[in-house]
Amino acid sequence: DTGVSQDPRHKITKRGQNVTFRCDPISEHNRLYWYRQTLGQGPEFLTYFQNEAQLEKSRLLSDRFSAERPKGSFSTLEIQRTEQGDSAMYLCASTRGTQVNTGELFFGEGSRLTVL
Amino acid sequence: DQQVKQNSPSLSVQEGRISILNCDYTNSMFDYFLWYKKYPAEGPTFLISISSIKDKNEDGRFTVFLNKSAKHLSLHIVPSQPGDSAVYFCACAGNMLTFGGGTRLMVKP
Repeated sequence: DTGVSQDPRHKITKRGQNVTFRCDPISEHNRLYWYRQTLGQGPEFLTYFQNEAQLEKSRLLSDRFSAERPKGSFSTLEIQRTEQGDSAMYLCASTRGTQVNTGELFFGEGSRLTVL
Repeated sequence: DQQVKQNSPSLSVQEGRISILNCDYTNSMFDYFLWYKKYPAEGPTFLISISSIKDKNEDGRFTVFLNKSAKHLSLHIVPSQPGDSAVYFCACAGNMLTFGGGTRLMVKP
């Protein structure tokens, strides 16, 4: 399988705990995006990377959210001190260069977070 | 503020008829427009796109229309098939994609 891979697919945690999601993009894709999707809504942009550089992070929902892509390959999204409102599907997507305009943005299957 | 809106949360169409999904946007700086399709438990997959310099793009049964003056785009599916039943998102491109809220299409046999 050479698509975008996300892990874990489903995470259940208690309020106040920290969680981390991992995304492995398609190899040779230098841009990686994180989105959040809540029930009945479209994907909401969070942040993106060009190689290891995080080019936009102002849309991260609060300072409890952080993302890294240390070697320009896989990425992690961490949520600290989770709240029930963080329950959502977290989607990762990747593309080559600036081909987001051509639709070549490939999404993973998402990591569903449930905060009890 | 929602920059991209899909005002119809759901649409039901008979197999063989035309499905028309609509999308409105507010940011005139968007230069590319896309439609994605999403099945349950899967990530969105790209369907069709259109550049802001065009007003129509066709790919098989799918056609996207863009009205820049009205900041409106639509997706036409003809003929509709039961396998087209899914959630459809429009998306507008700058450095990232900004998505609408989605329209759930149900095609009845």
